[in-house]
Amino acid sequence: DAGVTQSPTHLIKTRGQQVTLRCSPKSGHDTVSWYQQALGQGPQFIFQYYEEEERQRGNFPDRFSGHQFPNYSSELNVNALLLGDSALYLCASSELPQLHEEQFFGPGTRLTVL
Amino acid sequence: SQQGEEDPQALSIQEGENATMNCSYKTSINNLQWYRQNSGRGLVHLILIRSNEREKHSGRLRVTLDTSKKSSSLLITASRAADTASYFCATDRPGGSYIPTFGRGTSLIVHP
Repeated sequence: DAGVTQSPTHLIKTRGQQVTLRCSPKSGHDTVSWYQQALGQGPQFIFQYYEEEERQRGNFPDRFSGHQFPNYSSELNVNALLLGDSALYLCASSELPQLHEEQFFGPGTRLTVL
Repeated sequence: SQQGEEDPQALSIQEGENATMNCSYKTSINNLQWYRQNSGRGLVHLILIRSNEREKHSGRLRVTLDTSKKSSSLLITASRAADTASYFCATDRPGGSYIPTFGRGTSLIVHP
C-alpha cells in the first residue's frame, strides 16, 4: 500500500520563474492538503483540495494555486517565484476533508529559489 | 501568528531517559495533534487528543491535555536514538474552517 508520494524530491529555480509540484495521495484517500515549511519553522497550511475543488485556503497569495485531478492526485503551482518561497513543500492526504482528522504526509519537495 | 508553541526549542537526553515536551496554545480548540518529523522529511502523525480528553497513550508515548491552562504535553518514555527528531503540535480553531496550525517544534536529540 503506497503512502503519499511527491515529486520531484528537490528543485532549484530562479526568481521570477514558475514551478509545479506533484502529489499522489495514499490509497483510499480523496483529500489533499499542501503545506509550506520554511527552515526552522513548522508547516504552514496553503490549501486543501477535495472533489477537485479548493475547499480551504491559508494565508498565501494568489501566486500559489493548485489543482486536483479525477484520480485525486494534486499539483501545487507557484508563479513569479521569490527568494522567500524557498522551503520544503509537504503534501498530506486524508480520507475526510476535515483537517482536524489524521493526515498522512509525503516526504516533501525541497524548493530552492536563487 | 502561531497558535501552538512548543517548549523547549531543543532537548538533548541520553538513551533510556524520558523526554517531555510541551505545547501551549492561545484560543480554545476542538483537538490537538502531535507529529514527528525526521530530518526535514514528511511528518508522521503520533496522537490526536480531543478537547474532552485529558490523557492518551500510544506505546511509549503519553499525551496530556489541560484545556484550562491551554497546554498539552508529550512524554516519550525510555527514549531511543531512533526517537531523535523534531516534534510538533498542531491545533485547530473551532467556529469555522479547521485550519491546522503548527508550532515551531521541539528538536529532540537522543544520544546512544
